[in-house]
Amino acid sequence: EPEVTQTPSHQVTQMGQEVILRCVPISNHLYFYWYRQILGQKVEFLVSFYNNEISEKSEIFDDQFSVERPDGSNFTLKIRSTKLEDSAMYFCASRPQRGSNQPQHFGDGTRLSIL
Amino acid sequence: GESVGLHLPTLSVQEGDNSIINCAYSNSASDYFIWYKQESGKGPQFIIDIRSNMDKRQGQRVTVLLNKTVKHLSLQIAATQPGDSAVYFCAESLSYKYIFGTGTRLKVLA
Repeated sequence: EPEVTQTPSHQVTQMGQEVILRCVPISNHLYFYWYRQILGQKVEFLVSFYNNEISEKSEIFDDQFSVERPDGSNFTLKIRSTKLEDSAMYFCASRPQRGSNQPQHFGDGTRLSIL
Repeated sequence: GESVGLHLPTLSVQEGDNSIINCAYSNSASDYFIWYKQESGKGPQFIIDIRSNMDKRQGQRVTVLLNKTVKHLSLQIAATQPGDSAVYFCAESLSYKYIFGTGTRLKVLA
């Protein structure tokens, strides 16, 4: 069964450094998402992306965050200047199409640790 | 550093018994609901979904019930197995983003 893949599985970065988290969504999917989960807490929506632009973003997704689909397969989340509170699991998700209710499929996440 | 996490409610069930996991959702405009299972170190895994025009949907060993009057969802797992041990989240879909609940940890006792 096709799946969403995320790399790296664990990223350790110094505070203030830039980090890029990578995702390869399922190939025929059109909608892409990033979520984060701080240790022991609920999964929180960050941003949704369709047709090469952001369709919705949360309050968490401030100017330090950006997303990009640089080619036909990758979907990236960049944090420009990381803070301690950015430490979390980051999940990428994708979904086939708009208009019908179909579940988002999630990757296994990248654990981001900010030192 | 990382924040102190919320205390997850835990449901302990004997192997072979049925499990019922409950969830309250927040927005009456949500039109689609999903249950996910999350095992340690993994991402949320889709279990079953239900649209707001339905009140019950069955899958293999799982049933989801939706009560829109009180904004309540439940997940029933029949004949619970050790492999069902995980954290279970409900999610409501609002303008195509998901809002997740806090989660319930299911422990299956041998």
